Order: sequence, then C-alpha cells, then structure tokens
Amino acid sequence: EDKVVQSPLSLVVHEGDTVTLNCSYEVTNFRSLLWYKQEKKAPTFLFMLTSSGIEKKSGRLSSILDKKELFSILNITATQTGDSAVYLCAANSGGSNYKLTFGKGTLLTVNP
Amino acid sequence: EAGVAQSPRYKIIEKRQSVAFWCNPISGHATLYWYQQILGQGPKLLIQFQNNGVVDDSQLPKDRFSAERLKGVDSTLKIQPAKLEDSAVYLCASSPWDSQRETQYFGPGTRLLVL
Repeated sequence: EDKVVQSPLSLVVHEGDTVTLNCSYEVTNFRSLLWYKQEKKAPTFLFMLTSSGIEKKSGRLSSILDKKELFSILNITATQTGDSAVYLCAANSGGSNYKLTFGKGTLLTVNP
Repeated sequence: EAGVAQSPRYKIIEKRQSVAFWCNPISGHATLYWYQQILGQGPKLLIQFQNNGVVDDSQLPKDRFSAERLKGVDSTLKIQPAKLEDSAVYLCASSPWDSQRETQYFGPGTRLLVL
C-alpha cells in the first residue's frame, strides 16, 4: 500500500525562525513529489519535484528531493505569521493515471 | 484564469439523508478528482475521471457514494445514505492533460457535517 509520512505533525515557532518539514514516501511507480500549503481552504500548490538533488525555490520557501532515500524536505526561512498553515506532502504514482497519496500534513504555527 | 469551483461550501444533514456536491474544474482540464479529507488527515482520493470516464474509483465506498461527469466538464458526488463518519471536507481537484498534468489544482471544498 502506498504510504507518505510527514514529520513533525505540528510545530510552533517564532517569527524569523527557520523551519524544516520532512516527508518520506513509499509508493509504487513513483513519479514526483508535490508540496501544498493548506490554510482554511483549498490546498494551494507550492512545488513539484521530480529529480533528485535539485532544489526548487520560491522566495523564502525551498524544497529538495532525495529519490535514493525516498524523502523530501521543505524549508521556510525567516518565517512570518502568514506562513501559519498545514503543509501537505503528496507522492505521485501510477502509470498513465497520476494518483496522489497524501501525508497527514504538518501544522505550522508562527507566533509574532 | 478561474479556479476550481465547488458548491455548496457547507452542508449539515442528519444521518441516513442524502447529499450532493458539485464541482466545475478549471476550463480545459481533462482530469477531475474527488477527495475526502477527514479532520487531521491528508486528502484521500475517492474517484478520478479522465474526461467523462472513470479511471480510478478503487477507494470509493460504492454502496453509498456515487459520482458522475456526464459531459466531461463538471461533476457531482453523491452520498446516499450518509453516515456519521462521512463528516469531512470534500475536495475537488483538476489537472490538465499536457506536460503539467502531474499538478492538481484544488477547489475550496465542501465541508459536510452529518449529525
């Protein structure tokens, strides 16, 4: 059975801190790893990673994939209160049907 | 570009009643997904459509859940009869059928409470 595990499940930090969120996966026919941010609404797309060792960056957020060790990390530097959300990791698998298996998410709370 | 639209946003029903949710994907997106997200969990895929055909419904509880996408555009998901454990957010997502097809874009969800 496909499985995605995220850690920690929750995290409380102060503004300005740097955080690292972890995601490990075991899926059949792995294709890519996606990160989403979920506030009190729909998950919004952050990154898609397909190649090992290549960092993707968007502002203060960055992510990297290790296909040998089957994990990914999401880094957020200089956190702001607006970064408070659930961060979801999903592994894309399957042949012609792209199927996402999600982890439970990491609840990040950034205090002023 | 308009995003994925869903309605209603909230629904409260009693157990054994029926309920239906509607989703309109991003224009031109061939693939449509319905997910169930229980509080504290990640979204779980219920059903995936490619145009108007079902490609994966392996996790859909078919004794009570049904979904259709008759014209290959919008879709409805129905629960009949509802159980207490169906209380969740039902998310609809869509993706294009091109080089970006691995990225799914989500709607705002319908929050269902079954009493």
